[in-house]
Amino acid sequence: QVHLQESGPRLVRPSETLSLTCSVSGDSVGSYYWNWIRQPPGKGLEWIAYIYSTGTTNYNPSLKSRVTISIATSRNQFSLRLKSVTAADTALYYCARSLGSGWTSYFDSWGQGALVTVSS
Amino acid sequence: YELTQPPSVSVSPGQTASITCSGNKLGDRYTCWYQQKSGQSPVLVIYEDNRRPSGIPERFSGSSSGNTATLTISGTQTLDEADYFCQAWDSSFVIFGGGTKLTVL
Repeated sequence: QVHLQESGPRLVRPSETLSLTCSVSGDSVGSYYWNWIRQPPGKGLEWIAYIYSTGTTNYNPSLKSRVTISIATSRNQFSLRLKSVTAADTALYYCARSLGSGWTSYFDSWGQGALVTVSS
Repeated sequence: YELTQPPSVSVSPGQTASITCSGNKLGDRYTCWYQQKSGQSPVLVIYEDNRRPSGIPERFSGSSSGNTATLTISGTQTLDEADYFCQAWDSSFVIFGGGTKLTVL
């Protein structure tokens, strides 16, 4: 059974860069698509980006200018960088695996989430 | 593209709960549903409109037609109390509904 675990700083200052890593066990990041999804406190879910092992990426248009997703197959990890953060980026950040392809894909496994607060 | 869900739905234990998700021609694309209990990560309960992952009770079912997808919970139990989110794809991007809080009382 796949297990995902987010890690990284939980407090980021405004205008700086948020960086998170998702460590995957029980599966290889060489297969499937790997995603970042966030949830502001008390609010709904927002998909951020996905990456495939080949390096193929796709980003939420609303965040695309500030987001980079990358993958390290040798370490079985993938990462998120979100630059120029503001208080509006305070959220629980989840990494998740998606199965299926294209319009049929869905998120079948999620990490426990990492609460990142943007504050000075 | 937007997916619209009612903010809240209430149901009595043992009754049937229906949670809707509306979007333009939503029936032409696949809808998934996630359950999120308080303080926990989301869990997939329905994918491809009406398919149930392994381990999800049979009381969870899904349907989709026209502009609306529906998650139905038959014989609702108190442990089904949670937030439920629908999800679909718009072009190559993921869209989530705003979520529905299901109260079982």
